[in-house]
Amino acid sequence: QVQLVQSGAEVKKPGASVKISCKASGFTFNTHYLHWVRQAPGQGLEWLGVINPSRGGTTYEQRYQGRITMTLDTSTSTFYMELSSLTSEDTAMYFCARRIAADGTKYLDYWGQGTVVTVSS
Amino acid sequence: DIQMTQSPTSLSASVGDRVTITCRASLSIRGHMTWYQQKPGKAPTVLIYGASTLQSGVPSRFSGSGSETEFTLTISDLQPEDFATYSCQQTYSTPWTFGQGTKVEIK
Repeated sequence: QVQLVQSGAEVKKPGASVKISCKASGFTFNTHYLHWVRQAPGQGLEWLGVINPSRGGTTYEQRYQGRITMTLDTSTSTFYMELSSLTSEDTAMYFCARRIAADGTKYLDYWGQGTVVTVSS
Repeated sequence: DIQMTQSPTSLSASVGDRVTITCRASLSIRGHMTWYQQKPGKAPTVLIYGASTLQSGVPSRFSGSGSETEFTLTISDLQPEDFATYSCQQTYSTPWTFGQGTKVEIK
């Protein structure tokens, strides 16, 4: 079955970087774009960006350009999202999610379980 | 960027009620709308995609409608397990923006 398994919770100091992993299984790794979404405590969902696994191309939310990097390791079917120069406003649960194309549209059908990132001095 | 305005932000309802949630897009997104349900501490799950197509395994009391800029999610005959937060997302163009979410609480 399709699974996206994310790495564990992280606690970081302001100014540090965090790198979260998302290991894919149960489907052909390079046939589905992989998106990243986050949710700050008590807030709504926020789209962060997407990576195309067949070519490695990325599209990021404009406000995080220069601070966010999405990569992948095809040998282990694992996606990564790194966010640098962390502030308290980056405290959130981070999700990876698989994109599927169906019936002329696209949506996120499988999600990882989430990774809590806490930024605190 | 396309802005998604979701309303209401919260509502109280009883088991058996009919509930409607609305999302308005700042530009036409044609039919590229997805609705999610989310419970505390969990990842979202897909209810509706393509504005009106029910995701496999989702109960038929959930339905979606709309096109261009106006979309609705309807839950008929609200069940105890439906008390959750519901979010819309446009998948027409990046960034794939979300609505602010609607928390459905027990009256």
